[in-house]
Amino acid sequence: ETGVTQSPTHLIKTRGQQVTLRCSSQSGHNTVSWYQQALGQGPQFIFQYYREEENGRGNFPPRFSGLQFPNYSSELNVNALELDDSALYLCASSSPGTDTQYFGPGTRLTVL
Amino acid sequence: AQRVTQPEKLLSVFKGAPVELKCNYSYSGSPELFWYVQYSRQRLQLLLRHISRESIKGFTADLNKGETSFHLKKPFAQEEDSAMYYCALTYNQGGKLIFGQGTELSVKP
Repeated sequence: ETGVTQSPTHLIKTRGQQVTLRCSSQSGHNTVSWYQQALGQGPQFIFQYYREEENGRGNFPPRFSGLQFPNYSSELNVNALELDDSALYLCASSSPGTDTQYFGPGTRLTVL
Repeated sequence: AQRVTQPEKLLSVFKGAPVELKCNYSYSGSPELFWYVQYSRQRLQLLLRHISRESIKGFTADLNKGETSFHLKKPFAQEEDSAMYYCALTYNQGGKLIFGQGTELSVKP
């Protein structure tokens, strides 16, 4: 069984640029959630995708958007990057009808 | 609004000592409570959940609805327990997790 994978591991961008982060869910999981973890903070929920539809969104502006594909992998897109977007972005997948979310290793985004 | 509070950023104990990591939450309904752990250079992983009422790696946590707390306890800490611990809740099955800020546990030899 393959766990949740994320790419890239690290990313450096400049303010105003756009970025795409990728996540492959664990085998058999059709739900993907994205979290932002700023330094010294707990993860904050960005949004969740279930069967290719957004299924809940946290308090993040519209420049944070996402996609889920038929194979349940997912992308997180952030437009017009700001310095405060620098964080670890975590992806988590879960299977239907369960609460347990399985996390990927994260993508470290640095915005200069 | 739903919130999870972990009052201690750092908890340092000696090996063999009891440990209690505090977690308080604010939610008027019946949430599901979890403890997640992140060991050095590893990903965030589930340690235990209140609904399972199980003990994992010697850790237990009891949900106290009156005090809205879900403290994590272990009677005898081990050096390998050193990690970041996050308390989290969800109020709709399979939905978003609301995390606390985390407590770093350091177990000294």
